Amino acid sequence: DTAVSQTPKYLVTQMGNDKSIKCEQNLGHDTMYWYKQDSKKFLKIMFSYNNKELIINETVPNRFSPKSPDKAHLNLHINSLELGDSAVYFCASSQDPAGFMAFGSGTRLTVV
Amino acid sequence: GQQLNQSPQSMFIQEGEDVSMNCTSSSIFNTWLWYKQDPGEGPVLLIALYKAGELTSNGRLTAQFGITRKDSFLNISASIPSDVGIYFCAGPYQSNFGNEKLTFGTGTRLTIIP
Repeated sequence: DTAVSQTPKYLVTQMGNDKSIKCEQNLGHDTMYWYKQDSKKFLKIMFSYNNKELIINETVPNRFSPKSPDKAHLNLHINSLELGDSAVYFCASSQDPAGFMAFGSGTRLTVV
Repeated sequence: GQQLNQSPQSMFIQEGEDVSMNCTSSSIFNTWLWYKQDPGEGPVLLIALYKAGELTSNGRLTAQFGITRKDSFLNISASIPSDVGIYFCAGPYQSNFGNEKLTFGTGTRLTIIP
């Protein structure tokens, strides 16, 4: 039973499209995150939600909008996709903010 | 934002060799975490350190929390093929919201030469 699961695993789409990535965790954690990993493998935090409330919002374009319907789910919607959005996006969760994180296996987004 | 610099950036070793890598910061950290990322997967926590000078082992892995609290070290003894991957250090610091958030190092990529 996967602890943090995100879908889809691969996403290829054209510039200008809108797409969503879904994430669910069954660990009972209160905090969920979205990280972006670029081609150089740098991991940068994008957003964090604690009990459905946004607690971290890094300097991310407002084309990216997270949504947390409940504390077990954190989805990421991206509008007007650009070539530079191509990356691997990781969902993660932890019991406390900045606590030990469990990561999903990533969504590789390719914008063509 | 805070940056954790890892060294070396990449390593090419033969099976059976020992590996050493480090992570440095310009700021003091109260916790150091070491993660490993296998190809095509998300990072997985290996070791957590909470006190300056602390030395903690997990099988063939040993990590140390530097005395200055600005660095940490990870050693792998007698490397095996499944050690291949990217190793990240991580530590919590204050976000621009005033909350703590986890920042990750630049990573050390380990490759084992047959």
